[in-house]
Amino acid sequence: EPEVTQTPSHQVTQMGQEVILRCVPISNHLYFYWYRQILGQKVEFLVSFYNNEISEKSEIFDDQFSVERPDGSNFTLKIRSTKLEDSAMYFCASRDRGPSGNTIYFGEGSWLTVV
Amino acid sequence: AQSVTQLDSHVSVSEGTPVLLRCNYSSSYSPSLFWYVQHPNKGLQLLLKYTSAATLVKGINGFEAEFKKSETSFHLTKPSAHMSDAAEYFCVVSRRTSGTYKYIFGTGTRLKVLA
Repeated sequence: EPEVTQTPSHQVTQMGQEVILRCVPISNHLYFYWYRQILGQKVEFLVSFYNNEISEKSEIFDDQFSVERPDGSNFTLKIRSTKLEDSAMYFCASRDRGPSGNTIYFGEGSWLTVV
Repeated sequence: AQSVTQLDSHVSVSEGTPVLLRCNYSSSYSPSLFWYVQHPNKGLQLLLKYTSAATLVKGINGFEAEFKKSETSFHLTKPSAHMSDAAEYFCVVSRRTSGTYKYIFGTGTRLKVLA
C-alpha cells in the first residue's frame, strides 16, 4: 500500500541551526501538509501546499519556516534558525483530489530535538 | 468554525471488554470526520472515516464509529479490546477552506488495555 515516508526519523540539533525535514508524499497526491505535535500536546496544523504554493498556514508557521517541493517527489520543511520550542514530532501528510480526496494520509513523523 | 472535542484524555479497559472513545464535533455544515490511531513512537494511521455516506462506519482492526447528527457525535467503539489496541486515538474533523481542506485534531484519548 502506498505510504508517506519521512526522513530523518530522529534529529538532534543545536539551537540556532537550520534543519530540513524531508517527506515523500504518496505518488499521485496533489495536496501536501505539515503538522507538528509537541510532546504531550495536541497535533497542530502548520501549513498546506498545492500547485507549488502555500494554500494556508497557521500562526505557528512564521518566517523561520519554509516549505518547498524541489522536485516531483520530495516535499521539505525547513526551519531556518531552530529554537528550543521547535522540539516536536513533525508529520508530513498528503491527499489526492479524487473521490476519496478529503482523506489525508500521514507519515511516521520526524522527531526533532533542539538542544 | 469547526472543532472537535474528545471527552476523555485517558481510557482504561480490560482485555476482551468493549471500548468506547468519545468524540463530539461542531461544524457549520456537514462534516467529514476521521479517527486516527498513533501507536507509541509511530505515525498516525487512518482507522476509519465518515464522509456523508453510511452513518455507521467500519474501520480496520474491528473498530467502528457511528455518526449521530442529532448528538453531534462520532464515538469510536470496538466490541472486544486487544492488548495491541493500546495507543493514542485522535478524532479529526475536516474543513474546506480556500479550495483546500484543513484537518482539525482533537486532543487525543490514550487507551490503556489491562491484561
